[in-house]
Amino acid sequence: AQSVTQLGSHVSVSEGALVLLRCNYSSSVPPYLFWYVQYPNQGLQLLLKYTSAATLVKGINGFEAEFKKSETSFHLTKPSAHMSDAAEYFCAVSDRQGGYNKLIFGAGTRLAVHP
Amino acid sequence: GAGVSQSPRYKVAKRGQDVALRCDPISGHVSLFWYQQALGQGPEFLTYFQNEAQLDKSGLPSDRFFAERPEGSVSTLKIQRTQQEDSAVYLCASSSIEGGTQYFGPGTRLTVL
Repeated sequence: AQSVTQLGSHVSVSEGALVLLRCNYSSSVPPYLFWYVQYPNQGLQLLLKYTSAATLVKGINGFEAEFKKSETSFHLTKPSAHMSDAAEYFCAVSDRQGGYNKLIFGAGTRLAVHP
Repeated sequence: GAGVSQSPRYKVAKRGQDVALRCDPISGHVSLFWYQQALGQGPEFLTYFQNEAQLDKSGLPSDRFFAERPEGSVSTLKIQRTQQEDSAVYLCASSSIEGGTQYFGPGTRLTVL
């Protein structure tokens, strides 16, 4: 069965600093991996996804993530944090049995950005 | 075009009441998912529809939970005899094809007193 672990429920960075949000997964099959962002009182918005093509995936708002099979990781990074990046971030793995993406989410990491 | 919409956005129910939560997916989207997000947690899968067919209901926590999508568009998640542990945000997502990117609605926050 697939699972996701996000290390660090809260991360705080200064504006302009590197953002690194950690995600490790467990999967018995080659996984599809996703990062979603959730702003207060809003639904989840897809940042980026890995579907077995290039291991370095670029997403919206300057975010990117690298799939590392040997480390079973899919960490999310952004070179320079903006105040508007403050939100909750969720890593997810897809259980693709049956051909549809039943998403299995981690517990989330709340990112705070301070001036 | 319009995104996924959900109604009501907030629902307060007394323990034991029945509730119905509505999801309007993006027009033409074949796949529809329901997720439950407890406070401070990530969303958890409840059920999946392909058009009007409910192909996976493995995540429904009890037989008090029931979902339908009779015409392959709007979906309703019904919870009978609500309990306090049902308090959560219920998220709906749709995708244009099976296996495609899921677009999420804003959710319905259910509070059971």
